[in-house]
Amino acid sequence: EVQLVESGGGLVQPGRSLRLSCAASGFTFDDYAMHWVRQAPGKGLEWVSGISWNSGSIAYADSVKGRFTISRDNAKNSLYLQMNNLRTEDTALYYCAKDIGYDSSAGDFDYWGQGTLVTVSS
Amino acid sequence: QAGLTQPPSVSKGLRQTATLTCTGNSNNVGNQGAAWLQQHQGHPPKLLSYRNNNRPSGISERFSASRSGNTASLTITGLQPEDEADYYCSAWDSSLSAVVFGGGTKLTVL
Repeated sequence: EVQLVESGGGLVQPGRSLRLSCAASGFTFDDYAMHWVRQAPGKGLEWVSGISWNSGSIAYADSVKGRFTISRDNAKNSLYLQMNNLRTEDTALYYCAKDIGYDSSAGDFDYWGQGTLVTVSS
Repeated sequence: QAGLTQPPSVSKGLRQTATLTCTGNSNNVGNQGAAWLQQHQGHPPKLLSYRNNNRPSGISERFSASRSGNTASLTITGLQPEDEADYYCSAWDSSLSAVVFGGGTKLTVL
């Protein structure tokens, strides 16, 4: 059974940093691209970032480019999102999502975690 | 980043057919097609269909996707109460090098 478990969310002040993690199990992690998708309270889905199976291809939404860094550790079956210089508009539930393919330039998310809540507020 | 366009809400009766639309451009929907996701309140999204209108295993045949030009559609036949949810489309945008989502359609089953 595929499982994606996010962690690392919490309350943080504007301008501070936070690192999210996603522990994956139930599939061959290094065969697939992975993504972070967020959802602000009461709002729609917003893609944040994606990373290919071997970290060779990485992409970011314009809203987080230069502030967020996605990475993965295939030996640990884990996905990460380093978030720096956080803004109030980054407040959202952050989901880890598995791609159907190995390339991040697809965005077909077939499995999702339950999400971890990030609240940016002073 | 410009997103895909979906109607905010659609209402249909029980056992009727609903068709949800998602409009993009030649760089996204018109290029590689769109995926469709269903999200019930308080739950993560669930993939219903992905590029080239493929349905993942376990998804009911009542859900079918199609594409005409820059517009993708999701048709749900024989509407059931459990189909009441938010539906999102997504696609890779080759000009933005990013995934774009639609704003979502809230489907109400009357």
